Amino acid sequence: QAQLQESGPGLVKVSQTLSLTCSVSGASITSDNYRWSWVRQAPGKGLEWIANIHYMGTTFYNPSLRGRSTISVETSNNHFSLKLDSVTAADTAIYYCVRLYRYTMDVWGQGTTVTVSS
Amino acid sequence: QSVLTQPPSVSAAPGQKVSISCSGGSSNIGSNFLSWYQQFPGTSPKFLLSDNNKRPPGTPDRFSGSASGTSGALDITGLQTGDEADYYCATWDSGLGVWVFGGGTKLTVL
Repeated sequence: QAQLQESGPGLVKVSQTLSLTCSVSGASITSDNYRWSWVRQAPGKGLEWIANIHYMGTTFYNPSLRGRSTISVETSNNHFSLKLDSVTAADTAIYYCVRLYRYTMDVWGQGTTVTVSS
Repeated sequence: QSVLTQPPSVSAAPGQKVSISCSGGSSNIGSNFLSWYQQFPGTSPKFLLSDNNKRPPGTPDRFSGSASGTSGALDITGLQTGDEADYYCATWDSGLGVWVFGGGTKLTVL
């Protein structure tokens, strides 16, 4: 059974880069069946998709983040990562890594809380 | 403003049935399968239904889904207090090239 676990700093300063990693266990990140995603949830708000990646490198990004996000995959370690540049207070959220199978986000990590402070 | 529209809240008594709607457009629900997620306070979302109406192992058959045209719905029968949670619909929007979620619906079992 696949499990995803986010890791990264809980506090990031305004204008800096947020970096998160998702470790995947119980499934191979190189499976052709899956894409790997990041989704976030601001305090008291709904879910917002950030980006997808396939292990061969195909990526999709939410244009609402205006080119600030970069998703990557490291097959040797079976993990994938997210970088978000020039963060502001509006980027304060719980960040989830998610496995995407066809039209379903079928496995979610427990989430990691990121606070952007000045 | 979410691309998919859900009612902010619904409520019903234990044992009753409730339906949560999800309204979108031709480039999202009208073109791609809808999925549903359940989120309890302080926890990550959990996959509830895929492909409009398919239940994964672990989802009780009290939960069912449907979609027609540019709208979908999640039906929950035999409501239990343990069903109190936030529910989200989601799909891929082929026109925007993004995954889109509904704004979420808070279910209260009175």
